[in-house]
Amino acid sequence: GAGVSQSPSNKVTEKGKDVELRCDPISGHTALYWYRQSLGQGLEFLIYFQGNSAPDKSGLPSDRFSAERTGGSVSTLTIQRTQQEDSAVYLCASSTTGEFGGYTFGSGTRLTVV
Amino acid sequence: GQNIDQPTEMTATEGAIVQINCTYQTSGFNGLFWYQQHAGEAPTFLSYNVLDGLEEKGRFSSFLSRSKGYSYLLLKELQMKDSASYLCAVRDQLGGYNKLIFGAGTRLAVHP
Repeated sequence: GAGVSQSPSNKVTEKGKDVELRCDPISGHTALYWYRQSLGQGLEFLIYFQGNSAPDKSGLPSDRFSAERTGGSVSTLTIQRTQQEDSAVYLCASSTTGEFGGYTFGSGTRLTVV
Repeated sequence: GQNIDQPTEMTATEGAIVQINCTYQTSGFNGLFWYQQHAGEAPTFLSYNVLDGLEEKGRFSSFLSRSKGYSYLLLKELQMKDSASYLCAVRDQLGGYNKLIFGAGTRLAVHP
């Protein structure tokens, strides 16, 4: 597709359940980022994939969070045993290596943990 | 570590000029970005600076001083649709990774 696609756009889940969020980056973009944005707050870095290199996981808030990127394309962010504080918008962005202005964001997944 | 500071909120009048400042501290600076984010929407790219000086793009301009760890976004001829959050982001190159770190954003309200 022409842009970064994220699904689902909205997810309501019960506390303690696991959720999977999907990101389909722009074709050819080698870099993929996951961010979290709580209501009225800035973007919190979670994880960064660059080509076939080991991902930078330094932003993941706990071991309940994990992400993978299959075939250098689609990425899945998994949150296990969700907590109410996990409620936020999860944004994915992609870019080509070294591109100076091409970090393109998806529309995000709004996660609500009840 | 990284630290990015920008004002939380600003207000301005339609047709006026507003300057949004951003200061940063980072160990592997590799470019500074400004993004616009309307409520409930994804951020969209506005500008990029990697060298000192002013980059102009229509009504929007962005300035960078690497020695001072300082940037500003200048919006001219403000329109009501410019009411949004403006996010300053620094690309930090560490250990071979290019990580884009965002400030908390500045909420701009444009009034008639």
